[in-house]
Amino acid sequence: QSALTQPPSASGSPGQSVTISCAGTSSDVGGYNFVSWFQHHPGKAPKLMIYEVTKRPSGVPDRFSGSKSGNTASLTVSGLQAEDEAVYYCSSYTNTYTDTVVFGGGTWLTVL
Amino acid sequence: EEQLVESGGGLVQPGGSLRLSCAASGFTFNDYWMHWVRQVPGKGLVWVSRIRGDGNDANYADSVKGRFTISRDNANNMLYLQMNSLRTEDTAVFYCAKDLILGSGSLGTWGQGTLVTVSS
Repeated sequence: QSALTQPPSASGSPGQSVTISCAGTSSDVGGYNFVSWFQHHPGKAPKLMIYEVTKRPSGVPDRFSGSKSGNTASLTVSGLQAEDEAVYYCSSYTNTYTDTVVFGGGTWLTVL
Repeated sequence: EEQLVESGGGLVQPGGSLRLSCAASGFTFNDYWMHWVRQVPGKGLVWVSRIRGDGNDANYADSVKGRFTISRDNANNMLYLQMNSLRTEDTAVFYCAKDLILGSGSLGTWGQGTLVTVSS
């Protein structure tokens, strides 16, 4: 199972918006609406921020939004805050040979 | 409050075995797919395995297929990962996670992780 492709880093100033991409194939991101985004602060448990491409779990600020176009999904963080600095991972359901889940390599978001 | 607590990590020699456990609470355990995800220190998250709520369907990443076995005890709200023929590249923090939706990978609840070190 090949990992989804994310940029290694992204950055923005407080109050700005930043978008992180997640490139897959028609067998994962493009084929299913089961794309998730996770926020991971080192040493802590990962946190689900977006699921089913666009949905936010209860308690996640609406500054976080998800979208998808073709084989690429995106996470947009608006109104950047210092606490948003973390590693962000995308994931997708995939059924290339069997039912599995694949993650992206992660994007370190720096709030300048 | 939903909670997952992993245990069972530690130091093991290459070729050895280890069984990880994950104690679940705060939700109806047998209603949900459960997953194991690992992270090599300093690297990214990698999906390992998932198991259906009734325990009758499971899937694995190619890298662990034939060596790892996922299982669950719904009577006691426990998830397990039996790891055999361990390799140095299996060294990682292992997380258990609860799926929101039908095993799709929408992992809404995570444990804090347990560290497995494979070294001679």
